[in-house]
Parts: sequence; C-alpha cells; structure tokens
Amino acid sequence: GAGVSQSPSNKVTEKGKDVELRCDPISGHTALYWYRQSLGQGLEFLIYFQGNSAPDKSGLPSDRFSAERTGGSVSTLTIQRTQQEDSAVYLCASSLAPGRPQDTQYFGPGTRLTVL
Amino acid sequence: KNQVEQSPQSLIILEGKNCTLQCNYTVSPFSNLRWYKQDTGRGPVSLTIMTFSENTKSNGRYTATLDADTKQSSLHITASQLSDSASYICVPHTDKLIFGTGTRLQVFP
Repeated sequence: GAGVSQSPSNKVTEKGKDVELRCDPISGHTALYWYRQSLGQGLEFLIYFQGNSAPDKSGLPSDRFSAERTGGSVSTLTIQRTQQEDSAVYLCASSLAPGRPQDTQYFGPGTRLTVL
Repeated sequence: KNQVEQSPQSLIILEGKNCTLQCNYTVSPFSNLRWYKQDTGRGPVSLTIMTFSENTKSNGRYTATLDADTKQSSLHITASQLSDSASYICVPHTDKLIFGTGTRLQVFP
C-alpha cells in the first residue's frame, strides 16, 4: 500500500462499550506503533510492536487497553468498557528499521474516537 | 523526567514571511531530534532528523538547528506558503519518541 491506513476514520460509541481500531502498516515495515492524541496535547505513546511481539507496552493507560498484531502486518487496538476520557485521536505508525537512528515513523491519518 | 517545551504555542504570519519555531527539551539518553509537520486531521509527517553531531539540516524551505549542549532546537521556515499552515512538533528521541505539544502556525494571504 501507499501508506499507513487506519479504520474507521471516526468512531462514536457509548460509555461502557468496547471498540476496536485497526491499523494497516506500510508493507514490509516490521515495527508498528500506537499513539493517542488528546485535544491540545502531544502524542502519547501507547505500545510498540516488532513483528508480532510487543516489547514495549508501557504506555497503555489501563488494563482496558490491549493490542495485537498478526502476520507481522495488521494491528488492532481494543478498548474495553470505554470511558469519556478515552476520547481522542488514535494514531498508528510503522517503520522499517527501528534500531537505526535515522529510522522514520510513517503515520496513518488516525481514528477519532468519541465516547458519549 | 522527559520533557519537551515548544514556543510559541501559536503563530500567525503573512504569506511570504519567514518564521522561527523554538524547542527546549530534556530527555535522557538523547539519540536524535526530529521535527514533524501535522496538518489538521492528518497524521504527523517527518520533516528533519538530526543526530547529536548535526547542527543544522534543511529540507526545502525548512531548516532545523540543534544545540545538543543547551538542549535547544529551532525550525526556520523561509518564504512561507499557505500550505505551511499546520502544527509543527519537536520530537526528541530517547528509547522512544517524545512528542512536544507543537506550535500551531497559520499563514494568511
């Protein structure tokens, strides 16, 4: 694909519901990242995948948040029992060589989540 | 604690004018520093990446500087265009990227 894609682009849900956000990274990129961007805030790191493994999940804010990656490609971020404070834009990025200083992360357009 | 401070928070300039955005950071250990451009409703796009030994790097009309001793960086935009209207985010890299809150730039005709 030409770039990182995310779906849905917008999601409105009711408090207490579960949501799944999807990320399709650039083909061949081994590293995949999830970030959260709240209004007026900088991007907040959530989790990093290398292949299908998540060596760094230190940014997940609570056990309601989980993510998986299958086939070294598509990733799904799941938020259970959503709360209003979960409302934010969830951004996914992928990169080719995460161990190299010049490695560049390419971002998707994000999923805007609104919890009513 | 890793911190990134950017100034100004927002900036309005006229098309054709130059501007400089500032970034002060405190991260350890330091690997490199990136500037990203984020258009409204889009994901960030990398403009420049500078390692510890690089003082300046250009990408078209964008020129970034880095002083690793004082932990300061700047992004200079020359001959601004309407399409430069966006948020510009300073991102030092330790073991992960640390994103600043950005400077919101608006370029008016």
